[in-house]
Amino acid sequence: DIQMTQSPSSLSAPIGDRVTLTCRASQSIGSYLNWYQQKPGKAPKILIYGVSNLQSGVPSRFSGSGSGTDFTLTISSLQPEDFATYYCQQSYSTPLTFGGGTKVEIK
Amino acid sequence: QVQLQQSGPGLVKPSQTLSLTCAISGDSVSSNSATWEWIRQSPSRGLEWLGRTYYKSKWYIDYAISVERRITISPDTSKNHFSLQLNSVTPEDTAVYFCARGGTTVEDWFDPWGQGTLVTVSS
Repeated sequence: DIQMTQSPSSLSAPIGDRVTLTCRASQSIGSYLNWYQQKPGKAPKILIYGVSNLQSGVPSRFSGSGSGTDFTLTISSLQPEDFATYYCQQSYSTPLTFGGGTKVEIK
Repeated sequence: QVQLQQSGPGLVKPSQTLSLTCAISGDSVSSNSATWEWIRQSPSRGLEWLGRTYYKSKWYIDYAISVERRITISPDTSKNHFSLQLNSVTPEDTAVYFCARGGTTVEDWFDPWGQGTLVTVSS
């Protein structure tokens, strides 16, 4: 199985800050990496697919990059509605696997 | 747009069978470009993919090794839904269970998701 490791597990930042979340795969997954946002009591929602492609309706302050084993999700200017937990997920091979998440909190 | 509506009991006794259904609107369970997934989430295991079914000239089913001896995922074309059965449950199977739509290519992702069902395994 491909293990996905996210760091940090949580972070605290003020509104307007630029934040970067990291996801590392235990083996190369090419560009088959997706990012989800989850708010309490809700299902995860797709933000970015294929490393860097924004899902329709997702604000442009979100961006993704990386390839192979190392990936990042960047929020250029944190907004109140961005406080949530973010998960990466590889679609390279089954079993499809998720990272443990990064919880973004208000400072 | 595609919507998924989950149904099923929220409490299951140990050793019994967990059964959930995911009703699809706006798409077909027999679509050649979609996969129909079950995923669960718990504090101890995080988000865990359980398996999927999809149709591409014939029906395919994939299961996670961790549950493959206990799980059945099945499509129902007459009702346009798909189901999850997990046998011999233990308290470790307590989780929020989600259904989701994926895609048949490696570039695909999960969207949309069902609303989630908290299933508690307890006597």
